[in-house]
Formats: sequence, C-alpha cells, structure tokens
Amino acid sequence: DAKTTQPNSMESNEEEPVHLPCNHSTISGTDYIHWYRQLPSQGPEYVIHGLTSNVNNRMASLAIAEDRKSSTLILHRATLRDAAVYYCIRYNQGGKLIFGQGTELSVKP
Amino acid sequence: ETGVTQSPTHLIKTRGQQVTLRCSSQSGHNTVSWYQQALGQGPQFIFQYYREEENGRGNFPPRFSGLQFPNYSSELNVNALELDDSALYLCASSRGTGASNEKLFFGSGTQLSVL
Repeated sequence: DAKTTQPNSMESNEEEPVHLPCNHSTISGTDYIHWYRQLPSQGPEYVIHGLTSNVNNRMASLAIAEDRKSSTLILHRATLRDAAVYYCIRYNQGGKLIFGQGTELSVKP
Repeated sequence: ETGVTQSPTHLIKTRGQQVTLRCSSQSGHNTVSWYQQALGQGPQFIFQYYREEENGRGNFPPRFSGLQFPNYSSELNVNALELDDSALYLCASSRGTGASNEKLFFGSGTQLSVL
C-alpha cells in the first residue's frame, strides 16, 4: 500500500520548469517524503527528500504543503535527460521504500 | 554511478529451476535491500538484510531467500521458478542507520526471464 497518489504521466518542454505533484493525505508526522526517479534501463536514483520544510539540491526542489498532505517536485529547467519515471514515496522504515506507479515524465525538444 | 553493481545483467531460466542473483554494495553500507520490478510497475520490496541478518520482508514466499556477506556482497536466491518471477531484480544499499532520511543507492538490476 503506497499511500501516495501521482498522475500516471506528464509532458514538459525542454528548458521549461516542471512541477510533479504527489498526494499523501494519510501521512504521519514522522514520515519523510522521498523522491526517486528511474531512467530507462536503470535502477531508481535518489532525487530529494524532506519532512516539513521546502528543500533544494542540485537536482531539484521539493515543496511540501503546510499540512504535509501533498508535495511537489520541481525541476527548474527540464532537459531531455530528465525523461524518467518519478516516484514519490512515504518513508518511515529504514531501507524499505514502498513504490507506487510513479509519474512518467516525457520531455519534448 | 551509485557504486552498486549487480550480476548478471540478463538471465534466462526455465520454470522450476533455481537462480542466484548477485549484488556488490558500496563499501561501508551495512544494509542491502532487494526489490522486484515487473514490467510497467514500480519496484516491490522483497526483503532487507542488515549485517548479515534478515531485517524485514515483503509479501514474497519463502522460495525467495537471501544472503549477505561481510565483504558487502549479497545474493538473492529464487527456487522453483515460476513464469511470474520474470522481472527486473534490483538491489539497493544504504548505510543502515535506520533513519527515515536515509538514501538508498540502487544497482541497474538483473533482468530475469522465466520460460
């Protein structure tokens, strides 16, 4: 039971920002929100994680709603290499990620 | 480059056979987890090992078993293969702190086909 909900697919144009939404309405206070992405023919790759505050790293930004029932992964300038399946994951047990279906992001040149 | 390597990359077996998949974790990572990913689905947690002991298991039958070795290598064994076992098998390593903000590092997987 993934307990996160994401759109099945999204499209973006190259060089434009992308906002990938995720709903996690039953999240508990100690659950972190993790995002991983999976490029074709590769294993999942860590993107970013957060608990309550918005987070930034070199790959992306994570905006977490004040009630923590939803979050948005932001890719500031999509490139063709960002085409992948993006997974939003509630994580409160060390090492055990519960993946949902994820959002398949396609990037058009 | 995650520092996690899996072998072989592809494997074909027939129903009823046994298979062993191998993973080499990052040095210093005490936890290894195995996932099964069917075509078009997200990865599903099989089990996790911490310092050579099983430390959590998903909804998989006992014919799925594992081993973790002190040299940061590990194995996934599947007995009595079934057609539905055809999938990409992923291993992931982590430091093993148990913290909820711990990152996992995945290998590229072994694609198993059962005929």
